[in-house]
Amino acid sequence: QSALTQPPSASGSPGQSVTISCTGTSSDIGTCNYVSWYQQHPGKAPKLMIYDVYKRPSGVPDRFSGSKSGNTASLTVSGLQAEDEADYFCVSCGGGDIAIFGGGTKLTVL
Amino acid sequence: DEQLVESGGDLVQPGGSLRLSCAASGFRFSRFWMSWVRQAPGKGLECVAKIRQDGSAMYYVDSVRGRFTISRDNAKNSMYLQMNSLRAEDTALYYCATEDFWRFGLWGRGTLVTVSS
Repeated sequence: QSALTQPPSASGSPGQSVTISCTGTSSDIGTCNYVSWYQQHPGKAPKLMIYDVYKRPSGVPDRFSGSKSGNTASLTVSGLQAEDEADYFCVSCGGGDIAIFGGGTKLTVL
Repeated sequence: DEQLVESGGDLVQPGGSLRLSCAASGFRFSRFWMSWVRQAPGKGLECVAKIRQDGSAMYYVDSVRGRFTISRDNAKNSMYLQMNSLRAEDTALYYCATEDFWRFGLWGRGTLVTVSS
């Protein structure tokens, strides 16, 4: 099971929008509608931010949105805030029975 | 409050064994698939094993299959990971998490496993 590909870093200024990509293959993201995104602050456990490609759990601000096109899923953070600075991971089905994770993207708020 | 608490992490020599535990509270544990997800120092996340609600099916990532065994006891609201033949590359923070259609909704804070001589 190969990891999904994410850019190692992304950045934006407060108030701006940033999009993080997560690229897989036609065997995972391309055919899977169970893509999720997680936020992880240093020393903390990951937190579910988006599931089923675009759905938000209760309590997650609507500044966070998800989408998918072909073999690539994307997480967009609009109206960047300082507290959004964290690592972000994507997850997809398609790796057999075990979920596949992306390598993670460090989001910096300038 | 819904909570998962891992325990059992330790320093162990290569080739050694360790048993991790995950205690659940505040939610209906038996409703969920459960998974162990690890994070090596400075690295990304990797799901290493998952187990069906009733314990009747278990799945593993290739790198741990045959060495790790996942199990659960719904009467005790607990999940376990028996790790044998440990290698340096198994060094990681191990999280337990609920899994529902490939989404990990609730995570513990992790327990650290260090494999080193």
